[in-house]
Amino acid sequence: EAGVTQFPSHSVIEKGQTVTLRCDPISGHDNLYWYRRVMGKEIKFLLHFVKESKQDESGMPNNRFLAERTGGTYSTLKVQPAELEDSGVYFCASSQGYWDGYTFGSGTRLTVV
Amino acid sequence: GQNIDQPTEMTATEGAIVQINCTYQTSGFNGLFWYQQHAGEAPTFLSYNVLDGLEEKGRFSSFLSRSKGYSYLLLKELQMKDSASYLCAVRDNTNAGKSTFGDGTTLTVKP
Repeated sequence: EAGVTQFPSHSVIEKGQTVTLRCDPISGHDNLYWYRRVMGKEIKFLLHFVKESKQDESGMPNNRFLAERTGGTYSTLKVQPAELEDSGVYFCASSQGYWDGYTFGSGTRLTVV
Repeated sequence: GQNIDQPTEMTATEGAIVQINCTYQTSGFNGLFWYQQHAGEAPTFLSYNVLDGLEEKGRFSSFLSRSKGYSYLLLKELQMKDSASYLCAVRDNTNAGKSTFGDGTTLTVKP
């Protein structure tokens, strides 16, 4: 089966610009998660979708971040406007059930300059 | 919230056995996961413990003691390809899907 796909793999943008990250989960996985790893720190939770609904968005840092999962398939994470501290690796993961381990995508390395 | 501690780095010899410990202090617990992450790649799922005891999967085993807030990942017959970061993650009980990750333990396997 195809794994979790993230696009782009790398993005370099200037402070104040907008970037949209995309994640295609494994087909049939209702649960989709966004996580972020900032340089030197642990992987931190951003939010969790169950199908198209936001189950938990307690990890979203502020209102510059907007995640959507229209139709319960792929998801996008938009950062607008980007700030320097948003730099990091953004991981998407999916799972079939709550109790299953995650399948991670390869991540998007975002650099804000 | 969750607080997870694991050693930053470990070194072991090819063919040997290594144990990577993870301790956690949580406001809720719904299972503990171990992931392996090679440099520049995505984390991959290794094991899951929700009840006390040992779970074995080939060369890898994971142990959990909920009363002690303690887990370990045991890697046997180490191979060079086992050099990677090993992440301990605790699943929340307020949002069953959400996990809190430790900083990871970087394991270097030497010949």
